[in-house]
Parts: sequence; C-alpha cells; structure tokens
Amino acid sequence: SQQGEEDPQALSIQEGENATMNCSYKTSINNLQWYRQNSGRGLVHLILIRSNEREKHSGRLRVTLDTSKKSSSLLITASRAADTASYFCATDRPTNAGGTSYGKLTFGQGTILTVHP
Amino acid sequence: DAGVIQSPRHEVTEMGQEVTLRCKPISGHDYLFWYRQTMMRGLELLIYFNNNVPIDDSGMPEDRFSAKMPNASFSTLKIQPSEPRDSAVYFCASGLTIKRFNGYTFGSGTRLTVV
Repeated sequence: SQQGEEDPQALSIQEGENATMNCSYKTSINNLQWYRQNSGRGLVHLILIRSNEREKHSGRLRVTLDTSKKSSSLLITASRAADTASYFCATDRPTNAGGTSYGKLTFGQGTILTVHP
Repeated sequence: DAGVIQSPRHEVTEMGQEVTLRCKPISGHDYLFWYRQTMMRGLELLIYFNNNVPIDDSGMPEDRFSAKMPNASFSTLKIQPSEPRDSAVYFCASGLTIKRFNGYTFGSGTRLTVV
C-alpha cells in the first residue's frame, strides 16, 4: 500500500504561476522527501525535510511539514515550462523500535505538473 | 561521480526466461533500494539493503524474484521464470545516511518487457 498520497493528481498552470502539491501519509517518519521524474527518466531528489523541521527552502522550492496532520506541501514558485514533470513525495520510515534507523522509503502516486509557456 | 549505474537499459525477453538486472550504487553509500514502476501500481518498493544486508523484502512479489548484494558495489535483481506481468521499469537507488543525509540517488532504470 502507498504510504504517501499526493493531491492533486494532475495540475496544469501557466508559466510564472506558483504550483502547490500536497502529500499526506499515515505513519511516523524520519523524514519526507520530494522527487521529480521527467517522462521516461529516473527520479531526481529535490529536497528532504526532517521530522523535526517545519519548513525548508531550496531555490524556487519551498516544502512544509506538519507532523500533527501527517501532511506536507511542495510549492514551486515562478514556474517554468521546464518544471513540467511528475512530482512524488516519499516517506522514510524508521525500521527499529527506537525509530532511529533509516529505512522504508515509500512513494505516493505522484502529481503530474504541466506548465504551459 | 558516475551516479547509480543500472544495466541493461532495456531488456526484452520471452516468458519463462531468466532475467537479471544489475545495479552499481554510488561508492560509499550504505543503503540500496530496488523499485518497480508501472502505470497501474506506481512506484513499488521491492527490497532494500543496508550495508549489503537485506533489511526488508516484503515488497518482493513472489518467489520468482530474488535480490542479492554480494558486496558494497554491486547488486542484482533476478526474475526466474519471467512473466508478462513483470513488464515494468525497475529502478535502483542508493544513499549515504550517516553524517548529513540528503536523499537518495536513483539510476536511470531498466525497462523490462516480457513477451
């Protein structure tokens, strides 16, 4: 079963607009990661946010994490046509009782983002 | 750094044949994952290793699937015998989790077609 679920499934915007994608998950996590996949290619790591962090920035990317709601959002500001891709959230769950080890990285179904020039 | 290297890039085989997919992780990485991606099921975690030891293989669909990591620089995923429903893109990923961990690196994938 999928740990993370993205919303929306598809998003179509104009260049220059902001794109927001959401991710919900079910169990406790070490961290949550966002990946990007261009059509027919492998996944590229974008950003990681740890369970004790609430917000993180990287260039035009902003990620928030609300562990009480078990949800995260990815904001891409000033989108470009080159941002067109599928975006996945992935949760990294602890594998031992102490919750200290890295482990099971499971992905949601992804959001397909289309940015029109 | 050449990244995570997977081979072959494409594989077409007949039903019933044995298929072996290969992965060379980034040197020094301590975690290695095998994923399968299909339109219907998305990205499925098959198995992952920590320091060459399998940690969780609960995602391996059947006994026809097996994975090994004989050393830190090489892993294989074997399907024997292969079936048409095994057709998918198989990804390998690796990561270094000690010190400042910052995500996993994926290979380009192996597109498997079983006819």
